[in-house]
Amino acid sequence: QLVLTQSPSASASLGASVKLTCSLSSGHSAYAIAWHQQQPEKGPRFLMKVRSDGSHDKGDGIPDRFSGSSSGAERYLTISSLQPEDEADYYCQTWGADFPWVFGGGTKLTVL
Amino acid sequence: QVQLVESGGGVVQPGRSLRLSCAVSGFTFSSYDMHWVRQAPGKGLEWVAVVTYDGSKKSYADSVKGRFTISRDNYKNMLYLQLNSLRPEDTAMYYCAREYSGTHPRDFFDYWGQGTLVTVSS
Repeated sequence: QLVLTQSPSASASLGASVKLTCSLSSGHSAYAIAWHQQQPEKGPRFLMKVRSDGSHDKGDGIPDRFSGSSSGAERYLTISSLQPEDEADYYCQTWGADFPWVFGGGTKLTVL
Repeated sequence: QVQLVESGGGVVQPGRSLRLSCAVSGFTFSSYDMHWVRQAPGKGLEWVAVVTYDGSKKSYADSVKGRFTISRDNYKNMLYLQLNSLRPEDTAMYYCAREYSGTHPRDFFDYWGQGTLVTVSS
């Protein structure tokens, strides 16, 4: 069973950068993931798909401040020039032929 | 633009039923697999069910199998989730989501609705 692990919380200052991590469980380092943002009291919003080679495809209207990367079984979401509206929960998601769609536990990002 | 709008949530007693709806617009509904995802209060996202673009195949999370039924009407651009034998642990915001239509048999969710809240309580 594939498991996605995320840190429960992260924080960074307004205008700074932050890198969020999503870790794929052992044996699943080749899987792509997707990042979703959920602002308070809103539905999730797709940000980007990140592949094992670090390439990423962003969703419609996602600012250039958001980027993705990979290293081994780790998938990253980097947000630069943090804005107040970036304060949100961030979820990673993966999928495969042999298991249902899986979400990480989410990271709550606080913009200081 | 792509829009997904859920409705049908409410407060219901344990053991009762409810039907959720998701009205979609802005894309060719009949070309996409569609999902329901839920989020219990203060918790993370949990995938619930999927229906293929033509309604021919359906799959469910173990937690809802045998109690929930996903369906769609491609003429009305509507997605549904029938919730039977509801339990307090089914209390959650329910979101419909569109699966990206690429070359892979399964893929990520690229659009989400704003959710409809289901509360199961006596």
